[in-house]
Amino acid sequence: GENVEQHPSTLSVQEGDSAVIKCTYSDSASNYFPWYKQELGKRPQLIIDIRSNVGEKKDQRIAVTLNKTAKHFSLHITETQPEDSAVYFCAASSNQGGKLIFGQGTELSVKP
Amino acid sequence: NAGVMQNPRHLVRRRGQEARLRCSPMKGHSHVYWYRQLPEEGLKFMVYLQKENIIDESGMPKERFSAEFPKEGPSILRIQQVVRGDSAAYFCASSAGLLNEQFFGPGTRLTVL
Repeated sequence: GENVEQHPSTLSVQEGDSAVIKCTYSDSASNYFPWYKQELGKRPQLIIDIRSNVGEKKDQRIAVTLNKTAKHFSLHITETQPEDSAVYFCAASSNQGGKLIFGQGTELSVKP
Repeated sequence: NAGVMQNPRHLVRRRGQEARLRCSPMKGHSHVYWYRQLPEEGLKFMVYLQKENIIDESGMPKERFSAEFPKEGPSILRIQQVVRGDSAAYFCASSAGLLNEQFFGPGTRLTVL
């Protein structure tokens, strides 16, 4: 069935360092890959997304890369700040369904 | 433009009671998705609805759970005869169309005593 694996489950970095979170997906029909940030007790918030016709997308300190052949995609956060601390979820979706299949989440901690 | 609205934000029920969770999508959005998040876990898809239609309910438990999105009014997720294992945060998301961005509501945190 459809599955998204996310690693690592926890990530601790020093302020100013980069953070990388990786996801792999199983459904080859997946063609939309959003990333959500969830702070404790809050709603998931969309931070960036990428579609299958693009290999990379960047928005200020955040970038996402997609390798369709290998079925994996990654989130890159540069110059991390303490306010980046949160749980990050990757997800995959296809136009055959619309539903988002989420990874297990990565708890990012940025130490000042 | 108001975001996705959910109510109540917190709901406490005793075992065997019914829980009704409401979701009003963003203005202009006709696609509604419900997800469940157990403590310390990720989000699991439950059901996808458009106005008056259930498009995909593959994530819904076979018993006690139902969802609707009537022509008028909010989408409703209904849980009958709640059990302690139903305690979770239930999030609704809406989008303008298939494969458009999904925006999440603040969630309803259900506690079953």
